[in-house]
Amino acid sequence: NAGVTQTPKFQVLKTGQSMTLQCAQDMNHNSMYWYRQDPGMGLRLIYYSASEGTTDKGEVPNGYNVSRLNKREFSLRLESAAPSQTSVYFCASSELAGGYTFGSGTRLTVV
Amino acid sequence: QKEVEQNSGPLSVPEGAIASLNCTYSDRGSQSFFWYRQYSGKSPELIMFIYSNGDKEDGRFTAQLNKASQYVSLLIRDSQPSDSATYLCAVMWGGSEKLVFGKGTKLTVNP
Repeated sequence: NAGVTQTPKFQVLKTGQSMTLQCAQDMNHNSMYWYRQDPGMGLRLIYYSASEGTTDKGEVPNGYNVSRLNKREFSLRLESAAPSQTSVYFCASSELAGGYTFGSGTRLTVV
Repeated sequence: QKEVEQNSGPLSVPEGAIASLNCTYSDRGSQSFFWYRQYSGKSPELIMFIYSNGDKEDGRFTAQLNKASQYVSLLIRDSQPSDSATYLCAVMWGGSEKLVFGKGTKLTVNP
């Protein structure tokens, strides 16, 4: 019963470095999402994927790219990290009209 | 702009009391409503969803929806210290699986 698995759990990057956050779900859900959570700002949608092969921008997509590799996996890439991208990142998946199941999160610090 | 508003709190109640958490949303096109609980340092977990006007009960939790007033609430009866967490209201608009989250209300239940 893994649900949604995110890696890594913690990461420190220097400004300008790149990295990819990995997410995989084993619930056969079609839809997957990347959110960031900042103090006082709540959860904000970065990108989502309604099905394998499709992705779309959310509320705060600038500075990020995504890949829906297959039905299970949805990755988030930071090409050139900035201090403003310091945040907690959550991946989630869902069935149509159902609630989301979240991963355990990645705590990213950009120095 | 689709917005979900919650009182940030903190809301403090004594053990055994009823905790009342409120949420308003901006768009009448909203179809589905969710309550998530998030313990400090953890990921959000779904506790209730409601689609129709009225009340929906699940154990000690009751979700209430009034679409005319664009208002959704969560009541927690017989509050326990283990209910101490941040509660996130989320709204799904028609034609989309994307959730827009409120900023959350921090609840503290005092023994």
